[in-house]
Amino acid sequence: EADIYQTPRYLVIGTGKKITLECSQTMGHDKMYWYQQDPGMELHLIHYSYGVNSTEKGDLSSESTVSRIRTEHFPLTLESARPSHTSQYLCASSAGTIRDEQYFGPGTRLTVT
Amino acid sequence: GESVGLHLPTLSVQEGDNSIINCAYSNSASDYFIWYKQESGKGPQFIIDIRSNMDKRQGQRVTVLLNKTVKHLSLQIAATQPGDSAVYFCAEPWGGKLIFGTGTRLQVFP
Repeated sequence: EADIYQTPRYLVIGTGKKITLECSQTMGHDKMYWYQQDPGMELHLIHYSYGVNSTEKGDLSSESTVSRIRTEHFPLTLESARPSHTSQYLCASSAGTIRDEQYFGPGTRLTVT
Repeated sequence: GESVGLHLPTLSVQEGDNSIINCAYSNSASDYFIWYKQESGKGPQFIIDIRSNMDKRQGQRVTVLLNKTVKHLSLQIAATQPGDSAVYFCAEPWGGKLIFGTGTRLQVFP
């Protein structure tokens, strides 16, 4: 079982609210990732980080932002949630090169009403 | 950009039968592929990987075959069990990131 955690697991929130999805890993991994996934669909990379103070945008345009102040913590923030943000958000981490296995958290299922 | 795609969105198999999940890729320079399994309500989990210098790699009840000529790989699950029900993704490193295919949902019925 991988040591990567996401909170909350489920979140229902109204339009316009600011939310932060938490992701923490205890494996000391340098690389961390955020993916967005609709049910039964492919994963889309929205943000990634190669280490502390490193953040990059992924392939899918996202209105979210991320920060990486500590190695173990990679929170994702939506300043103003919209119904179009309703999705599952998955956090992952890996040790080094892209060939290293990515360990995924359980995900946060977000519903914006 | 480069793409990794799956042929079938859903595969239904009877318990005990073998399952074959297919994946096509378009980048002939690709040299590493990974299969992930995602159970309902969970994040994807690594199953097995294969490098391009191999045609076949076996794990516990799973085998991945790589055909570089036609740019195709497959995941074979022997004696499929109800616990194998999940969505399976192939993935490929590209541009410093992992590119995931669409996914195939495997349904196992008694």
